[in-house]
Amino acid sequence: GNSVTQMEGPVTLSEEAFLTINCTYTATGYPSLFWYVQYPGEGLQLLLKATKADDKGSNKGFEATYRKETTSFHLEKGSVQVSDSAVYFCALSGRGSTLGRLYFGRGTQLTVWP
Amino acid sequence: EPEVTQTPSHQVTQMGQEVILRCVPISNHLYFYWYRQILGQKVEFLVSFYNNEISEKSEIFDDQFSVERPDGSNFTLKIRSTKLEDSAMYFCASTATSGAVEQYFGPGTRLTVT
Repeated sequence: GNSVTQMEGPVTLSEEAFLTINCTYTATGYPSLFWYVQYPGEGLQLLLKATKADDKGSNKGFEATYRKETTSFHLEKGSVQVSDSAVYFCALSGRGSTLGRLYFGRGTQLTVWP
Repeated sequence: EPEVTQTPSHQVTQMGQEVILRCVPISNHLYFYWYRQILGQKVEFLVSFYNNEISEKSEIFDDQFSVERPDGSNFTLKIRSTKLEDSAMYFCASTATSGAVEQYFGPGTRLTVT
């Protein structure tokens, strides 16, 4: 079946620190992979995505590479800002009969201090 | 920018009562979803809806749950007889096409069952 395992939080960093949030998945077939972000009081927003192996998704300084060999999609940012404080969710979308349905990880709370 | 809206933002109800959670998807979207997140747990898929019928539902979506698109704009989730374990954040999402594409999420309704 499909599932996502995401690094447990919370993660607390100082501004300009390097961020990694680990995400691994199990899936049948070839899923698409996503990172969603949830700022306080708001809905889930797509941060970046990758639809096939070796694709790199990037947005707002965040990056993640679809690694089929390690079934991973780790989120990275070279220099975090206070405004990056949010909850980050790794997700996958399967193929076939579960087309469109998203499978999420637990979410990782990131707090960045000035 | 178009967005998904949800009402109410917080609903408190007594066990055994019926609740209706409301969502207004983005106007030209055709596919609609409900997800929920119990505090500290994963975001879980409940149901997808297209062309006025359920496309897929998870094992969570039992006979206590129903969805409806009563008019051209609203998409509702009804829980007939709430249980304590239904306390969660409920997210509505929509998308213009099926498949492994971005789903647009609302801010969520926090349901508290006492």
